Amino acid sequence: GNSVTQMEGPVTLSEEAFLTINCTYTATGYPSLFWYVQYPGEGLQLLLKATKADDKGSNKGFEATYRKETTSFHLEKGSVQVSDSAVYFCALKGTGFQKLVFGTGTRLLVSP
Amino acid sequence: DTAVSQTPKYLVTQMGNDKSIKCEQNLGHDTMYWYKQDSKKFLKIMFSYNNKELIINETVPNRFSPKSPDKAHLNLHINSLELGDSAVYFCASSQEAGSGNTIYFGEGSWLTVV
Repeated sequence: GNSVTQMEGPVTLSEEAFLTINCTYTATGYPSLFWYVQYPGEGLQLLLKATKADDKGSNKGFEATYRKETTSFHLEKGSVQVSDSAVYFCALKGTGFQKLVFGTGTRLLVSP
Repeated sequence: DTAVSQTPKYLVTQMGNDKSIKCEQNLGHDTMYWYKQDSKKFLKIMFSYNNKELIINETVPNRFSPKSPDKAHLNLHINSLELGDSAVYFCASSQEAGSGNTIYFGEGSWLTVV
């Protein structure tokens, strides 16, 4: 079945550092890929998505490119802020009535 | 306006009790979901409904029973609560169930069973 693997956290960075959170997936067909973010004590918010190979999703300075050849969807940001501290989830959804499958989440801690 | 709203946000209850969590979406979506997030933040789908019809039913104890009175509502009823049911329960919705359609989540219901 479909699955998503994320790097273990926590990821600890200083403000203005470069961020990469790795995400790889296993899926049949042509799934869509998502990054969701969960701030402390809050629900899940869509951060960005990509629906086909080579698409780049971007939002709030975050980017991720759908790489079919490496089955990856790594999240990047050039300069993180303290307010980016949260848990980031990579997710995948296949076609039709298929469930959204999440990775285990990566906690990001940004210090001033 | 809240797109996906669920109540209550916090719920503390004793083992053996029966409780319900209500969910409503005002996005006009056809598909609604319940996800469970455990203490390690792992998210797993429990149920999915499309136009009031159950389409995904993961391996969940039959103490959990979803009910969809109309396509804008998907409530979760839990009988005989156990300690292991303590978790955050997220309601969500999407326009149809296509792969590219974004799933929008509610703010979660924090359930603690004591």
